[in-house]
Amino acid sequence: RKEVEQDPGPFNVPEGATVAFNCTYSNSASQSFFWYRQDCRKEPKLLMSVYSSGNEDGRFTAQLNRASQYISLLIRDSKLSDSATYLCVVKPMNTGFQKLVFGTGTRLLVSP
Amino acid sequence: DGGITQSPKYLFRKEGQNVTLSCEQNLNHDAMYWYRQDPGQGLRLIYYSQIVNDFQKGDIAEGYSVSREKKESFPLTVTSAQKNPTAFYLCASSYTGAGETQYFGPGTRLLVL
Repeated sequence: RKEVEQDPGPFNVPEGATVAFNCTYSNSASQSFFWYRQDCRKEPKLLMSVYSSGNEDGRFTAQLNRASQYISLLIRDSKLSDSATYLCVVKPMNTGFQKLVFGTGTRLLVSP
Repeated sequence: DGGITQSPKYLFRKEGQNVTLSCEQNLNHDAMYWYRQDPGQGLRLIYYSQIVNDFQKGDIAEGYSVSREKKESFPLTVTSAQKNPTAFYLCASSYTGAGETQYFGPGTRLLVL
């Protein structure tokens, strides 16, 4: 089983739609969670950290469910510019430094 | 402007050749990392360094070497021992506190001729 698993998609949605991605992780001791966004042939950029209480940044909402070991990202009112690959990233607790484990990404395509 | 730079953007390697990818940061980060990204796979850690003059192997270090002589610089050499070097190489840096975010450079695409 992969340490971090994501549905590769693509998710094809029209502008204005709400879309949600899930990500599961295998290490129950994992302590930090992030969503990164990666545009085609570009570097990943931090979208948001994911906190236990859930957090929101504008149209983006991230949730963490430790009991079920999954993380979600909700995008409301999708824009064309949201088209990208979204990487789920987990920091396992049992490493002494900031080793991150990356999912393979979920691709989102927003159409007019 | 603070940030991470990588050069070159594209690099072509001939069989049996060693090539070096540059990574520089002016964010005053202590930690630096090298990842490799292949299609359909997540980023995989090659090497990392938490402090100057010290570095550790990541998950796929074979065929690669690094140095960390300056805080700002963490060059990666892809040696001839790396049999499948074609990939997108990403350098990142971060502070060393728990939960600190890693920031990435724009990447170098390495292709084998």
